[in-house]
Amino acid sequence: AQTVTQSQPEMSVQEAETVTLSCTYDTSESDYYLFWYKQPPSRQMILVIRQEAYKQQNATENRFSVNFQKAAKSFSLKISDSQLGDAAMYFCAYRSPITQGGSEKLVFGKGTKLTVNP
Amino acid sequence: DADVTQTPRNRITKTGKRIMLECSQTKGHDRMYWYRQDPGLGLRLIYYSFDVKDINKGEISDGYSVSRQAQAKFSLSLESAIPNQTALYFCATSDLTGDYNEQFFGPGTRLTVL
Repeated sequence: AQTVTQSQPEMSVQEAETVTLSCTYDTSESDYYLFWYKQPPSRQMILVIRQEAYKQQNATENRFSVNFQKAAKSFSLKISDSQLGDAAMYFCAYRSPITQGGSEKLVFGKGTKLTVNP
Repeated sequence: DADVTQTPRNRITKTGKRIMLECSQTKGHDRMYWYRQDPGLGLRLIYYSFDVKDINKGEISDGYSVSRQAQAKFSLSLESAIPNQTALYFCATSDLTGDYNEQFFGPGTRLTVL
């Protein structure tokens, strides 16, 4: 079974600085999908960024980018120019390819709480 | 209006009571999911449904049941609530269009069982 590990329970960053959140995963599959979700105090799960394992180019969404290292099974999230609104729990998630009879479930890490200091 | 809604948003109940959490979506997605979030554990899948005639157990289905009343509605029931079912519950939806088939989450229901 696939597992996702986020080794940093908490991180902090100064406003306008850059922070990197770590995520590693374990799988025997060659194709899969990886996601970062943000959960602010409102509890809403918000998709931040996504990556398909077959795509070598690292995904980027505005101030958010990933460093995807397939061989190392690593999928870190970099937040540039951190803003107060970035303060939240961040969850890394893994999903297998869609197959007949598959669950398509997301396997989540335990999360990293990010604090942004003014 | 939100694409995925959950009712109630918060609920306090007592041990042994029957509770139903409801999820509705206007995204037109076929696939719907129920997850549970516990502090320090991330989200775990309870049940999922690919259409109104298809219901499947997730990794932590014991003590729960579901009903897919229509394409847009997926309810989660706790037949006899117990305190360790105190958690944040999320409904999610997805479909097969696009490359990523990402899941879209509702706002969550915080359930407390006393």
